[in-house]
Amino acid sequence: GAVVSQHPSRVICKSGTSVKIECRSLDFQATTMFWYRQFPKQSLMLMATSNEGSKATYEQGVEKDKFLINHASLTLSTLTVTSAHPEDSSFYICSALKGGVENEQYFGPGTRLTVT
Amino acid sequence: AQTVTQSQPEMSVQEAETVTLSCTYDTSESDYYLFWYKQPPSRQMILVIRQEAYKQQNATENRFSVNFQKAAKSFSLKISDSQLGDAAMYFCAYEGSNTGNQFYFGTGTSLTVIP
Repeated sequence: GAVVSQHPSRVICKSGTSVKIECRSLDFQATTMFWYRQFPKQSLMLMATSNEGSKATYEQGVEKDKFLINHASLTLSTLTVTSAHPEDSSFYICSALKGGVENEQYFGPGTRLTVT
Repeated sequence: AQTVTQSQPEMSVQEAETVTLSCTYDTSESDYYLFWYKQPPSRQMILVIRQEAYKQQNATENRFSVNFQKAAKSFSLKISDSQLGDAAMYFCAYEGSNTGNQFYFGTGTSLTVIP
């Protein structure tokens, strides 16, 4: 199988501070990872596509200066929420694309962010 | 962007019975993939079943099967012999061949299994 981890699983931060969320593919290399946001009782909304070694591609309406994405290696992508505000409180999920014949996405367990 | 619609916010089924969850989508592509994901209270997304659009045969995974109607752009999930562990949110998802492997999710259906 393929495993994707996220760290931390839960984080509480104060308004105005920044918080970093890590997404790791544990047993495969992923040139492409995706970041989603999920509000309670709602669907997953794609925020951005993270490509190893290049800039992330953001979906319309997502502030790239607020949600910084770095995909520095084939197994790690990070999402940094800068100057967090209470409205940024949400569940953030990443997925990693396992290429080749399989070409399948694997999801991380998610990170619950609470901004106080 | 492609649109994925799940018209049933909530569904319930008696244990051991069969339930069908609906999904429709809108696309101009001819080649794409469709998925059903299960999200239990743990929030971990679990792949239930996957269908390639170029395959006419409906995908099946044990108690889970789909009814894929390409012309109608419909992709329903049938769960047979429902079990208590099937209770979860179910999301239908679309992945186009020309959209960089991006997933577009439906709004989800909350499935309750009644003992």
